[in-house]
Order: sequence, then structure tokens, then C-alpha cells
Amino acid sequence: NAGVTQTPKFQVLKTGQSMTLQCAQDMNHEYMSWYRQDPGMGLRLIHYSVGAGITDQGEVPNGYNVSRSTTEDFPLRLLSAAPSQTSVYFCASSTQRGTEAFFGQGTRLTVV
Amino acid sequence: GENVEQHPSTLSVQEGDSAVIKCTYSDSASNYFPWYKQELGKRPQLIIDIRSNVGEKKDQRIAVTLNKTAKHFSLHITETQPEDSAVYFCAVDNYGQNFVFGPGTRLSVLP
Repeated sequence: NAGVTQTPKFQVLKTGQSMTLQCAQDMNHEYMSWYRQDPGMGLRLIHYSVGAGITDQGEVPNGYNVSRSTTEDFPLRLLSAAPSQTSVYFCASSTQRGTEAFFGQGTRLTVV
Repeated sequence: GENVEQHPSTLSVQEGDSAVIKCTYSDSASNYFPWYKQELGKRPQLIIDIRSNVGEKKDQRIAVTLNKTAKHFSLHITETQPEDSAVYFCAVDNYGQNFVFGPGTRLSVLP
């Protein structure tokens, strides 16, 4: 049981490039979410999904897309990377909203 | 949207003393209040949570209290140990678009 797995752990992008951060969970959780963590600002919700085929925006969705074609996977796409997207990104899953969230190990993204 | 404030931003205590961290929120519809601990370079992990129909919850040295009228909740750690040193985040969930974390409290337990 691996829990929540994120790849890659580190990534450097040039401004304007696109990329996908991968997130997979093997706990059969319905609820999955993406956060970004910036110094002094806690974690901010980017997008979330309550089940396969259903996604919704969080607090800071601009510049990011998500999809949920299976229960296990919830990739985050950066459409055109900007320096303001330099951050640590965490994926999390839980059985449903209002229960313990299990986080992945994080992806440290730098946009130059 | 929801606004979550967390105080203090840093806290230093002597080993064995108690630590208290307080969070306030703005949306009265919020009804789930977890606390997460994040050690340096690691992922956040849930340490305790409370729902709106409960006023207090304890788990060994950790407790959380909730005052829904005043819209604040607090984390209490007793008999602190060096391994309690970490950043602690409160969070507030109204089961809508808003699942909001506080900015964090860096706790240092001095031996």
C-alpha cells in the first residue's frame, strides 16, 4: 500500500513551458485535491475532485487544469508556466470531504 | 470566502511545558476543523480533528477545543517533547469550494 504517490519530486521549467504533475493513490479514495504551499501562506487549494469525472476549482485555480478519468489518478497540468507558479505542490486524498487527508511527498517546482 | 488566521506564527517552549495555538475563521457554515503537523521537508500529516457538533477532543498529549459562537479553535499540546518541533497548520472546511489552511505556526521545543 503506497498511499499517495507524486511524481516528479523536483522540476525546473522555463517560463511558457507546460508540464503535468502526476498523482496516484491506491486507497480507493473518492476525494482528491491539489495544493500549493508558499512560505508564510500555508497550503492553498488549487483544484479538487469528489470522484471520477468530477472536478471543481479551489481558491487559486488560474493557470492550472485537472482531470479525473479514474479513481486512482488526478494529474495537475500547468498550461504555460510562470515564475509565480514556483512553489511546492502537494496532492492529497481522503475517503470523502471532512475526513483525514493523506498527502503525497510533494513536488518542488521552480519556474525560471 | 473563508478567512483563517493563526496565532502565533512562531512559538518556543521549554521541553515539558505546554503549547497552545489558536485559529479563527470567518464562515459560520464551516464544520470540520483539522490540525496538521509538517516536519521540515516532509508532507503534512493529520494529528487531530474536530467537527462542529463537538466542543473538545483529546488524543493523549494533544487536544483541540472549538468555540463555534466565537469562531475559533485551539490546539493544545501538553508535556512537549523535542519531536513536537514542527510547523502546525489549522484548516477549516465548509464542504464547498473552500478548504482553507491557516498560515502555520512554527513550534520549537527547547531541551
